[in-house]
Amino acid sequence: DQQVKQNSPSLSVQEGRISILNCDYTNSMFDYFLWYKKYPAEGPTFLISISSIKDKNEDGRFTVFLNKSAKHLSLHIVPSQPGDSAVYFCAAKASGTYKYIFGTGTRLKVLA
Amino acid sequence: SQTIHQWPATLVQPVGSPLSLECTVEGTSNPNLYWYRQAAGRGLQLLFYSVGIGQISSEVPQNLSASRPQDRQFILSSKKLLLSDSGFYLCAWSEPPNTEAFFGQGTRLTVV
Repeated sequence: DQQVKQNSPSLSVQEGRISILNCDYTNSMFDYFLWYKKYPAEGPTFLISISSIKDKNEDGRFTVFLNKSAKHLSLHIVPSQPGDSAVYFCAAKASGTYKYIFGTGTRLKVLA
Repeated sequence: SQTIHQWPATLVQPVGSPLSLECTVEGTSNPNLYWYRQAAGRGLQLLFYSVGIGQISSEVPQNLSASRPQDRQFILSSKKLLLSDSGFYLCAWSEPPNTEAFFGQGTRLTVV
């Protein structure tokens, strides 16, 4: 049972435009959400997170939006840069638990 | 600052051979420790996590085991590797209040 889903396996965006990566979850107990960026043959790097008490969190070019009623979150990257090309993983966690549940990832390619 | 070390970076092992992957964390005490696996074309699957010395929680029944002999050391083992054990293994840590998890560089295991 895939509790965290990233339905788009890949996305291509022109440099300078906005990248929007989407993530859906099924477990209503999740209350903390994270985005990670992963290059080939490296470990994922933490990007940005959001608590369920918020609906938006921003850090530089990265903004995460959370829609609790739809059980949906998205990561916006503006402006996109070629160095942003990587696989992006969405993850979720429920308070009182220790497990981070990851989605299957979306491969972002930013075209110069 | 905290750092995580994971080794080896790559490993090629024959079917039926044993496995031992080691992970250590520096700069923190009593971290939560995790082993994840990324199989080809798939997301990050949680294999084991530990909230203290000798405390191991298994998420997926399989050919692998984990141990935590010291506070900041986490070991992934197998007595006899299968072809299906091939993948990219990642160690991670988090600390209370268990917000972000941070990953090591990963080990690419190929079972031949």
